[in-house]
Amino acid sequence: EAGVAQSPRYKIIEKRQSVAFWCNPISGHATLYWYQQILGQGPKLLIQFQNNGVVDDSQLPKDRFSAERLKGVDSTLKIQPAKLEDSAVYLCASSPRSGDYGYTFGSGTRLTVV
Amino acid sequence: GENVEQHPSTLSVQEGDSAVIKCTYSDSASNYFPWYKQELGKGSQLIIDIRSNVGEKKDQRIAVTLNKTAKHFSLHITETQPEDSAVYFCAARADTNAGKSTFGDGTTLTVKP
Repeated sequence: EAGVAQSPRYKIIEKRQSVAFWCNPISGHATLYWYQQILGQGPKLLIQFQNNGVVDDSQLPKDRFSAERLKGVDSTLKIQPAKLEDSAVYLCASSPRSGDYGYTFGSGTRLTVV
Repeated sequence: GENVEQHPSTLSVQEGDSAVIKCTYSDSASNYFPWYKQELGKGSQLIIDIRSNVGEKKDQRIAVTLNKTAKHFSLHITETQPEDSAVYFCAARADTNAGKSTFGDGTTLTVKP
């Protein structure tokens, strides 16, 4: 089966600019996650979708980050305006449904804010 | 919320030796513990997982053990090979958390040929 697709692979922007990341999960996977991974740390959950509904966005900095999953398939994560501390790898993951299932991760988008 | 600590942060072994990575968790409700392997330029891959009703699970050269009482679980890799070199992450999840996993900070494993 095809894996989780993410784009772009790399992005360099100046602070205060905006950026968007795209994720296409494995077909049929109801649950989609966006994680932020800062260098040297483990992934930290930003938002979790179940189909097209938000399950958990408690760690999403909503003043600058937004995410949507229209039609319960693809998802986009946006940052506007970006700060230097947003430099990280943004990982998208999916699983068949929430519960005791492992994730399938995409390769991530490495964001550098200068 | 859940807190997962992972040790060591770096580990270097000689090819053929064993490697052990340990994690502790804080939430006694956690009942699912996956391990992921992250290679440069690739997505993180689930390599093994264990559920709280099992004490040990093995898959070829990889094994995971779980001590629910002590709230710790470990990854064991035997007969290490250079291709095992990667960053390994442990995670913990509780059903009450709707599938949300909390990750450790990772262990960089280097296997020297």
